[in-house]
Amino acid sequence: GIQVEQSPPDLILQEGANSTLRCNFSDSVNNLQWFHQNPWGQLINLFYIPSGTKQNGRLSATTVATERYSLLYISSSQTTDSGVYFCAVCQTGANNLFFGTGTRLTVIP
Amino acid sequence: ETGVTQTPRHLVMGMTNKKSLKCEQHLGHNAMYWYKQSAKKPLELMFVYSLEERVENNSVPSRFSPECPNSSHLFLHLHTLQPEDSALYLCASSQLAGRGEQFFGPGTRLTVL
Repeated sequence: GIQVEQSPPDLILQEGANSTLRCNFSDSVNNLQWFHQNPWGQLINLFYIPSGTKQNGRLSATTVATERYSLLYISSSQTTDSGVYFCAVCQTGANNLFFGTGTRLTVIP
Repeated sequence: ETGVTQTPRHLVMGMTNKKSLKCEQHLGHNAMYWYKQSAKKPLELMFVYSLEERVENNSVPSRFSPECPNSSHLFLHLHTLQPEDSALYLCASSQLAGRGEQFFGPGTRLTVL
């Protein structure tokens, strides 16, 4: 199956700092999503971004499908941004999402 | 109710019990999924249903039995589970299997004693 690698695995930020999370994948995809998992386990949809760039408030994402990577940018981080960020892809021809191992973000005041 | 709902949110069961997890989607989608999230392992697919037909069974043990009576409801029947089956079980839906954005329910946190 497709390999999905996320980096860094852990990230600690001071409140107000900016960060970039990276997702590399090993094959062509027709779907890529970024999620934030809160402490209760709920996966919150951040972006559905198989290609291109999108922005939503302090968050933005870019996927370069031809080079098989996606980036999630968090600006002016807040303590409520803490949690685990997952990248998930659907390999072309597959029926489901394959998840990376996540980036655990901790934002300290 | 909106989005994807799951019940119960927490479940503790013995190894000889039989229980069921329920998922309902209110998005008009045609595909539904069960995923499992264990400690120290990435989220992994268990089952995919498209238009109430199972299209994917990811080598899941037979003690997990899915049921999809219609495109809005998905069940996971559990029996004779092992302690290592303790995990967060997440349900999701999308417009079509493997197509479009997937939306997840809040999950059922299962503990097997």
